[in-house]
Amino acid sequence: EVQLVESGGGLVQPGGSLRLSCAASAFTFSDHYMGWVRQAPGQGLEWVGHIRNKANSYTTVYAASVKGRFTISRDDSKNSLYLQMNGLQTEDTAVYYCAREDTRSGNYYGVDYWGQGTLVTVSS
Amino acid sequence: QAVLTQPSSLSASPGASASLTCTLRSGINLDTYRIYWYQQKPGSPPQYLLRYKSDSDKHQGSGVPSRFSGSKDASANAGILLISGLQSEDEADYYCMIWHSSSWVFGGGTKLTVL
Repeated sequence: EVQLVESGGGLVQPGGSLRLSCAASAFTFSDHYMGWVRQAPGQGLEWVGHIRNKANSYTTVYAASVKGRFTISRDDSKNSLYLQMNGLQTEDTAVYYCAREDTRSGNYYGVDYWGQGTLVTVSS
Repeated sequence: QAVLTQPSSLSASPGASASLTCTLRSGINLDTYRIYWYQQKPGSPPQYLLRYKSDSDKHQGSGVPSRFSGSKDASANAGILLISGLQSEDEADYYCMIWHSSSWVFGGGTKLTVL
């Protein structure tokens, strides 16, 4: 069964940095686009960004709200996804979900699996 | 105006059907979009239900009951998630999503109450 396990969340001061990791298993990680989605307390879902696969040059795409502050990377040899977050602001407080995007027969679709999430709290 | 608009709440009775709407902003052509639907229960991550573009381009998530189905209402420029034979376990938040302007965009979510 597909598993996505996030780690690295915690409390950080405004202006600080944090790196989240996502360990993937039970599927061919290198085939898939992978991304991050966040959810502020009591709020809806917000896409953070994604990284495409090698066939698509590992292109990254970010939401406007995090562009220039957050960086998504991956290590296909370790079946791992990362989110480097710099310049954190209080409004970045959220549960961050690792998300797999569906790939079928060379076509690319939306998120079909989610991790359990890791909480990031930005506060002084 | 938001790209995707969902009613904040909806109530329905057990055994009845519920139609959850996801309205695309005026000027966004419904025909060209796959609409994705997710269910989220308190304290849990979202779960993929299905995607729908047309009757020939749709997909049901693994293990998702057939009483969850997708469609479109062209007159309303909206995607529809229909849940038939409502059960108490269907009580949850439901989100729609599309790929628009090089981003995945979510609707604000609908809280479905089954009572």
